[in-house]
Amino acid sequence: QKEVEQNSGPLSVPEGAIASLNCTYSDRGSQSFFWYRQYSGKSPELIMSIYSNGDKEDGRFTAQLNKASQYVSLLIRDSQPSDSATYLCAVNRNFGNEKLTFGTGTRLTIIP
Amino acid sequence: GAVVSQHPSRVICKSGTSVKIECRSLDFQATTMFWYRQFPKQSLMLMATSNEGSKATYEQGVEKDKFLINHASLTLSTLTVTSAHPEDSSFYICTGKGFGNEQFFGPGTRLTVL
Repeated sequence: QKEVEQNSGPLSVPEGAIASLNCTYSDRGSQSFFWYRQYSGKSPELIMSIYSNGDKEDGRFTAQLNKASQYVSLLIRDSQPSDSATYLCAVNRNFGNEKLTFGTGTRLTIIP
Repeated sequence: GAVVSQHPSRVICKSGTSVKIECRSLDFQATTMFWYRQFPKQSLMLMATSNEGSKATYEQGVEKDKFLINHASLTLSTLTVTSAHPEDSSFYICTGKGFGNEQFFGPGTRLTVL
């Protein structure tokens, strides 16, 4: 079992709809959870971090965390073509300089 | 978010030469910097963790004598690819982590070894 699992996609969503990206993790000691967006040929960009169970909203993005189920998701409302990218889920234990463990990413395509 | 820069953004070199890549945190002090490598259509691979003033910690399978990392200050880390070969051609990305828990990525350096 991979430490952080994501559906590799591609996930296709019509413009204006809600895109839902999912991530599961195996380490129950994980405390910090991040979503990065990576456009083709570019480096990842941090878009959301979440540390507590529940929802965290930032503009069109909502991160949801359920530690009991070891599940974290990212919802993108009113999807735009510019949201087309690979989305990476990352977790760590939040111990000092603990490294991040990344999923392999989900490729999202927004269809105009 | 915090800003991390890398230089150069792109480099082409001949096989056998050494290449140095700089990673700078511009508006925060990066107590830790991480170096990643990404091959086309593959996920990020962590190469090493670099703490200011101490030796880097390399991931399993990464040759520390080939990939030299120096983290001389809280705003600068360097990665030197020594005696580069075509199989070292990749996208090298650094991240900086300050006193919080978030990591901020640099824009990456695309290395092509001929």
